[in-house]
Amino acid sequence: QGHLQESGPGLVKPSETLSLTCSVSSYSISSNFYWGWIRQPPGRGLEFIGAVYPTGSTYYNPSLTTRLSISIHTSNNQFSLKLSSVTAADTAVYYCARVPMSFLSVGWFDTWGHGTLVTVSS
Amino acid sequence: DIVVTQTPLSLSVTPGQPASISCTSSQSLLHNDGKTYLYWYVQKPGQPPQALIHEVSNRFSGVPDRFSGSGSGTDFTLKISRAEAEDVGVYYCMQSVQLPWTFGQGTKVEIK
Repeated sequence: QGHLQESGPGLVKPSETLSLTCSVSSYSISSNFYWGWIRQPPGRGLEFIGAVYPTGSTYYNPSLTTRLSISIHTSNNQFSLKLSSVTAADTAVYYCARVPMSFLSVGWFDTWGHGTLVTVSS
Repeated sequence: DIVVTQTPLSLSVTPGQPASISCTSSQSLLHNDGKTYLYWYVQKPGQPPQALIHEVSNRFSGVPDRFSGSGSGTDFTLKISRAEAEDVGVYYCMQSVQLPWTFGQGTKVEIK
């Protein structure tokens, strides 16, 4: 069973950029799967942020696309998330997860990191 | 986006008794490949979500057979035949027939 671990600052100031990294172990990030990000604001449900394929191909949730960048770093077996111009509404637990599919037209998240809380506050 | 709505939002169940959660989608989750892409997850306290059911009614490996899923089109149900203490958590349904994949609001299950 693979393991995913999120890392990054727990506090980000409004209008700045939120940056997170997901480190993957026991799986090769170069395998034919997508790697995604999901977030969960405090007391609320889950939102699919976006995903990246080993080729660098990405999918972004249209609600976030103007502020979002997801990239993959095969040499380090990591992928990362950058969300710019953050506000308090971006405060959430951010999860990284694997999509065991080579396409995103359908699928699911089979392995999740434990999540990291990012608070947007001055 | 497809809106997924769960009811109830919370549920208190006596051990050994059944429990049922409903999930309704704003559009049919039937794909043109003939499959219906509705999943169930449970998020136990302090843990990330873990997958229970795929494509409406198929349990993932290791999921106890007291969990079952049913439904079609836009209406789906997760049933626990005999609730156990370890079933406490928040249950989510998720659709993946259309991007962005979307989740229900979650149903918090408490065991009395």
